[in-house]
Amino acid sequence: EAQVTQNPRYLITVTGKKLTVTCSQNMNHEYMSWYRQDPGLGLRQIYYSMNVEVTDKGDVPEGYKVSRKEKRNFPLILESPSPNQTSLYFCASSSLTGIWETQYFGPGTRLLVL
Amino acid sequence: AQSVAQPEDQVNVAEGNPLTVKCTYSVSGNPYLFWYVQYPNRGLQFLLKYITGDNLVKGSYGFEAEFNKSQTSFHLKKPSALVSDSALYFCGGPGAGSYQLTFGKGTKLSVIP
Repeated sequence: EAQVTQNPRYLITVTGKKLTVTCSQNMNHEYMSWYRQDPGLGLRQIYYSMNVEVTDKGDVPEGYKVSRKEKRNFPLILESPSPNQTSLYFCASSSLTGIWETQYFGPGTRLLVL
Repeated sequence: AQSVAQPEDQVNVAEGNPLTVKCTYSVSGNPYLFWYVQYPNRGLQFLLKYITGDNLVKGSYGFEAEFNKSQTSFHLKKPSALVSDSALYFCGGPGAGSYQLTFGKGTKLSVIP
């Protein structure tokens, strides 16, 4: 089954404790990206990657890091989480030619930073 | 670069009535626009897109969207709303970067039985 998986689905942590949210897709997609969803602010892109070792900043990259060492994986790293990073996070993927066509979204990761 | 806006935070409609969820855009060239839906506790699902061609675009689950260049709008429509259409709807398009995407703030659609 074609899918985008994220782990963990729910996470409670404390300020300053480094964490990683994993994202994996099994569709051989070149394009992967991370979003955060906040009430009243909608969906905002954090980082995106066009292929292995090629990443770029989205609208809200501050406080986040990403890496793309393998085509299927695109982890989101919060090296020193703060309460304002409490949010619902989504990973998505698509073919490079299909960016404007169809993005496949993961189920989301709900993060609470205390 | 392109920006989109969804002027309504919430839309309420009675089951069986037509529904419209509004989206406006601002772009310097030809627009690329799409709609996604988010059901409760789920990720986003693609509904439809406009790149070029017919101004009326048909998509999944009986939805369609009308592109209007003079009004810079791309409103999502459905002739007869179902309770199961209740969800959060996002319009979007290309962002500032070459491969960046931007989404509106979302509109919560509630279909009342």
